[in-house]
Amino acid sequence: ETGVTQTPRHLVMGMTNKKSLKCEQHLGHNAMYWYKQSAKKPLELMFVYNFKEQTENNSVPSRFSPECPNSSHLFLHLHTLQPEDSALYLCASSPLGGSYEQYFGPGTRLTVT
Amino acid sequence: EDKVVQSPLSLVVHEGDTVTLNCSYEVTNFRSLLWYKQEKKAPTFLFMLTSSGIEKKSGRLSSILDKKELFSILNITATQTGDSAVYLCAVMDSSYKLIFGSGTRLLVRP
Repeated sequence: ETGVTQTPRHLVMGMTNKKSLKCEQHLGHNAMYWYKQSAKKPLELMFVYNFKEQTENNSVPSRFSPECPNSSHLFLHLHTLQPEDSALYLCASSPLGGSYEQYFGPGTRLTVT
Repeated sequence: EDKVVQSPLSLVVHEGDTVTLNCSYEVTNFRSLLWYKQEKKAPTFLFMLTSSGIEKKSGRLSSILDKKELFSILNITATQTGDSAVYLCAVMDSSYKLIFGSGTRLLVRP
């Protein structure tokens, strides 16, 4: 357990569905991240939030919509996804303002049918 | 474009062997280099390296950074089956972003 939890752990959705991924960190960190991990590709940074403010959007399609209501919670809202969006979605958190490692959650395995 | 390249992509060894995993990088504003171990889902942190030539050790694992040649190695001695995992190398840039390599998949056979 790293102190970062994600729900659900597995999700199967159709291309017309709307769903949300949730991440919660219990470490008192101020920065939170969404990553996408596809088969045989490096972890790709999607979004960064510092003190609830989005500071990075790594050219992610608008069908992925992040939300950070407070420093402990991060959501990824999904709508009209494509089969190629099937991947492991990892959330991470870290302290802000220094060279600190990021702590990862267990991920949500998403399958788009 | 910033990139991190790991080699080999996969490796099969027997228990007791020593392995060396490689990570080279081209990152414009380098801050530090990190190693993670990913067994099932969540990558778990191993080391952070910021200075050249200073070895970091944790049990049978050790790592060193060469900022002149832009690479790092991760050594595992006396490997055990529990070391089987994907080992990820990532470089942190000046904006604290992590740029990951594709990973090295290590399988340790009994």
